Amino acid sequence: QKEVEQDPGPLSVPEGAIVSLNCTYSNSAFQYFMWYRQYSRKGPELLMYTYSSGNKEDGRFTAQVDKSSKYISLFIRDSQPSDSATYLCAMEDNFNKFYFGSGTKLNVKP
Amino acid sequence: NAGVMQNPRHLVRRRGQEARLRCSPMKGHSHVYWYRQLPEEGLKFMVYLQKENIIDESGMPKERFSAEFPKEGPSILRIQQVVRGDSAAYFCASSPTGDVTQYFGPGTRLLVL
Repeated sequence: QKEVEQDPGPLSVPEGAIVSLNCTYSNSAFQYFMWYRQYSRKGPELLMYTYSSGNKEDGRFTAQVDKSSKYISLFIRDSQPSDSATYLCAMEDNFNKFYFGSGTKLNVKP
Repeated sequence: NAGVMQNPRHLVRRRGQEARLRCSPMKGHSHVYWYRQLPEEGLKFMVYLQKENIIDESGMPKERFSAEFPKEGPSILRIQQVVRGDSAAYFCASSPTGDVTQYFGPGTRLLVL
């Protein structure tokens, strides 16, 4: 079983839609939960991170963590074509080691 | 402040040759991570280094792969006697304190013929 599972998509939505991206994980020791955006042929860029359970909002992006279900989500409101990218979730195990999901490819159509 | 730099961006090697990948972290960052990414897959942790120290190399194959981060100069990921299965994108990330705020470089795409 992989440490982190993420649906690869692709996910195609019209401009302005609300996008929901999700990951599940198996290691209950994970404390930090991150979301990265990766454009084609580029390095990942950290969007936001959350410590332990709860929600965090940053502009159009909201991250949610449910540790009881080992489930995390990223919501994108009012999605734009420029949001088209691959979104990677990642988790940290308290020993400065990071585990990444395989990424969900998002396409926002104008 | 320049971002994380990696070179070369593209590297072609024949089977059996050596590949050397370089990573210059952001100024003031003393923590470097190396990851490997295969097509349609996520990033796989390889090694975590601080200046002159390997902190965790549990994700790196024990044979043919080595990494260093000297006191001066870039971090180097070295792959000896490359095989076709080594073809991938290799990313490094730097962090000021080893925390979750990692900044990634653009990657080196290695192709082994």
